[in-house]
Order: sequence, then structure tokens, then C-alpha cells
Amino acid sequence: ILNVEQSPQSLHVQEGDSTNFTCSFPSSNFYALHWYRWETAKSPEALFVMTLNGDEKKKGRISATLNTKEGYSYLYIKGSQPEDSATYLCAFVSNDYKLSFGAGTTVTVRA
Amino acid sequence: DADVTQTPRNRITKTGKRIMLECSQTKGHDRMYWYRQDPGLGLQLIYYSFDVKDINKGEISDGYSVSRQAQAKFSLSLESAIPNQTALYFCATSDSGTAETQYFGPGTRLLVL
Repeated sequence: ILNVEQSPQSLHVQEGDSTNFTCSFPSSNFYALHWYRWETAKSPEALFVMTLNGDEKKKGRISATLNTKEGYSYLYIKGSQPEDSATYLCAFVSNDYKLSFGAGTTVTVRA
Repeated sequence: DADVTQTPRNRITKTGKRIMLECSQTKGHDRMYWYRQDPGLGLQLIYYSFDVKDINKGEISDGYSVSRQAQAKFSLSLESAIPNQTALYFCATSDSGTAETQYFGPGTRLLVL
């Protein structure tokens, strides 16, 4: 079992504020790092797939960075909106194609 | 129509009963997975299959078995259900061309009494 940790477990943010949170993963045998967005009563949906050290991805107000050498990725939400409320999961993919998910960071945006 | 479907969506069963959860996909992906989700634990991998003749155990395979009947179908069985198997179960597929990005089904909520 690979150790993939996300912090914090949950956070509350005021509408309009920006926030960020972390995914830590093993720095060896790296193949890819995924971020998923999981809304209540729905299935997780892929946000970003990151494969190269230094990768930066952006989708609207959400962006992510990747540091494979030190084993972490940050997800940023700029100008949070109520529709950003969800659990954000990261998944580490090893070079033998095995996935390990973190427990997620649950974001609640208060209007 | 959904690309990854799961049946049933909800199921209540009793301890000791055999139950099968089914997953079908129309994405044409070779790789399929079964996960369970428990509060605070994220997604835990039960079994995965990289093609029809390939079955692999995940982190928590004890008490479960799987069958890959075709490229498009991957079923999960609980031979003798127990209450701590009460969870939300997800099937997923992936494509090697997208670095194993997971495409999830809608989930099956299972309650074992």
C-alpha cells in the first residue's frame, strides 16, 4: 500500500477567497499524479493528469502544480465559488500502473 | 447514455448472503477496477484487470472475488457478505493513453445487515 496523504482533511473558505491544499506521495516509481473532483451524490471526475516534474495545469479558476522530486502536488482554487464545494482526491500512479488514492480534501465554500 | 454503468445502484442484504455487483462499460477501455469507499478513507482498490485474461488483487481483496467476462464487463462478488463490507462501491475504467485516468461508474451503495 503506497502512502498518499492529503491535507488538510477539510477546509471552509469564504466565497471569493482563494485556497490551496496538498497531496503528498512517494517520490520514487512515479508515473503520474491525478486530481479528481468529487461532488456529493456523484462520481469522481478527473480534473488534471500530471506526468512531468514541474507540470502546471489550469482549468478555469482551478490549477495544480507538481513536484515529483520531493513528492507533492498543490491544488489551488482562485476566487472560490459555492459550486467549488466538493471533495478533491489525488491519486498516485506508480510505474507499474497501480493507483493509490488519498483520502481527499473536502472544500466547503460559504456564500 | 453513461459510459460506465453499475447494477444495482443500491442493495440491502443480510450477513452470509452471496451478492454480485456488475459493471459494464462502452468506452472500449481494456483496464477495469473495483474500489470501495468508506468515510474518511478515500477510495481503496479491491481488484483490477488490465485485460480479459488478467486479474490482480488490490489493497483489500479479502472477502471479494471478481470475474472479467468480457472486455466490457467486470463483476465483483461477495461470497458471504459481512457487515463491515457495508460501503459505497465504484467501478472504473482507464486507458493507458491518458496515464490511467479513471472513469468512474455511478457507484453501488451496499448495506449488509
